[in-house]
Amino acid sequence: EAGVTQFPSHSVIEKGQTVTLRCDPISGHDNLYWYRRVMGKEIKFLLHFVKESKQDESGMPNNRFLAERTGGTYSTLKVQPAELEDSGVYFCASSQSSIYNEQFFGPGTRLTVL
Amino acid sequence: AQTVTQSQPEMSVQEAETVTLSCTYDTSESDYYLFWYKQPPSRQMILVIRQEAYKQQNATENRFSVNFQKAAKSFSLKISDSQLGDAAMYFCGRTSYGKLTFGQGTILTVHP
Repeated sequence: EAGVTQFPSHSVIEKGQTVTLRCDPISGHDNLYWYRRVMGKEIKFLLHFVKESKQDESGMPNNRFLAERTGGTYSTLKVQPAELEDSGVYFCASSQSSIYNEQFFGPGTRLTVL
Repeated sequence: AQTVTQSQPEMSVQEAETVTLSCTYDTSESDYYLFWYKQPPSRQMILVIRQEAYKQQNATENRFSVNFQKAAKSFSLKISDSQLGDAAMYFCGRTSYGKLTFGQGTILTVHP
């Protein structure tokens, strides 16, 4: 069974540009999470989808970040316009129906904003 | 803010020996789960072990075990018979309605 996949693995963009990150969860996993790790700091929660609905988006830093989950399958996280402080590693995770189930993580997307 | 604290940025251990990684957390909830995840260099994070807060018995998974002290809000990870493949960044985490709150991570080096 395929694990959680993320695309791209790396992205380098200029300040002010737009970037879209994609996450494909494990098939059948209703819960999808986005996290971010800024250099030298802890991994922080961004938001949680249950199927196609946003369950909790309390961790989204500001309105430059937009997350969607089309049809309850893959998810995208768009940053527009990107700022220097958005640099970091963005992780996606998915889990089965219970919110206390193990979260399976993707390899992450390393975003660098110059 | 409810936090998770890992006070050891780096730890090292000799192969075949035992090492303990510390973690403390803050929560106002009575029911929650605690996790240890490991991230080997350039690889994905994987779950090492999970503890349900309502269970008094400490979780074990082969060479990995936890010392869960609920009153003290402490959740340490013990790795016995350390192997070279245990070298990784280890993250302690706590769930709250699904979302994980992580500690800062501990880099574990295993010396042959």
